[in-house]
Amino acid sequence: EDKVVQSPLSLVVHEGDTVTLNCSYEVTNFRSLLWYKQEKKAPTFLFMLTSSGIEKKSGRLSSILDKKELFSILNITATQTGDSAIYLCARYNQGGKLIFGQGTELSVKP
Amino acid sequence: EPEVTQTPSHQVTQMGQEVILRCVPISNHLYFYWYRQILGQKVEFLVSFYNNEISEKSEIFDDQFSVERPDGSNFTLKIRSTKLEDSAMYFCASLGTSVLETQYFGPGTRLLVL
Repeated sequence: EDKVVQSPLSLVVHEGDTVTLNCSYEVTNFRSLLWYKQEKKAPTFLFMLTSSGIEKKSGRLSSILDKKELFSILNITATQTGDSAIYLCARYNQGGKLIFGQGTELSVKP
Repeated sequence: EPEVTQTPSHQVTQMGQEVILRCVPISNHLYFYWYRQILGQKVEFLVSFYNNEISEKSEIFDDQFSVERPDGSNFTLKIRSTKLEDSAMYFCASLGTSVLETQYFGPGTRLLVL
C-alpha cells in the first residue's frame, strides 16, 4: 500500500515562530499531493500540488513539492494561536482515492 | 460557498444494529467518497463512488458496508450490523468533474457503537 509519512508528529511553538512541516510519499501512480488543516472535525483544504518546484502560497502559509525527492513541505510564518490544528498531507492515487499521512499536531502557544 | 453536509453529526447505537449515515455532496460533483477516522488514528479511505457504482473500496469496506445514491442528491453509507470497532468519525467527501480536482470534506458523523 502507498505510504505517506509526516514529520514531526507533534510540534509546540510560540506565536510568531515559523514552522516547517514535512511530508514524504512513495511514488506509485502519483497524481498530486494535498495539504489539509483539521481543527475539530473535517479536514479543510489548503493546497494541491501537482508540479515540482512551484510554490503555492496563501497568506502566511506556503507549500512546495519535490517530485524527485518525493516530499513536500508546508511552511507557516508568523504563527498565531489559530494555526493550532492537525495538518494532514495526502496523496491521490489514480482513482482519486486520498491516502493520508498520520498528521502533524501543531500547537501554537501565546 | 457550496459545501458537503452530513447528518447526523453524532450517532450512538448498540452493537449489531444497522446505521445509515447521510451525506449531501456539492451539487455538481460527480465523485463521492467515504473515509473514516478512528480516534487518534489517521484518516482512512473506505470507498469511492462514480457513475452510480463503486469504483474502488478498501479492505475495511466488507460485506457489512454498502453505499447508495438513492435520489441524485444524497449519498449514504450503511453499516448493516455494527461492531464496537466501527466506532469512528465518518467523513463524506466529493470531487467535481475530474479526479485532478480538489476533494472537499463534510463535517463528519461521529459514530459510537456500544
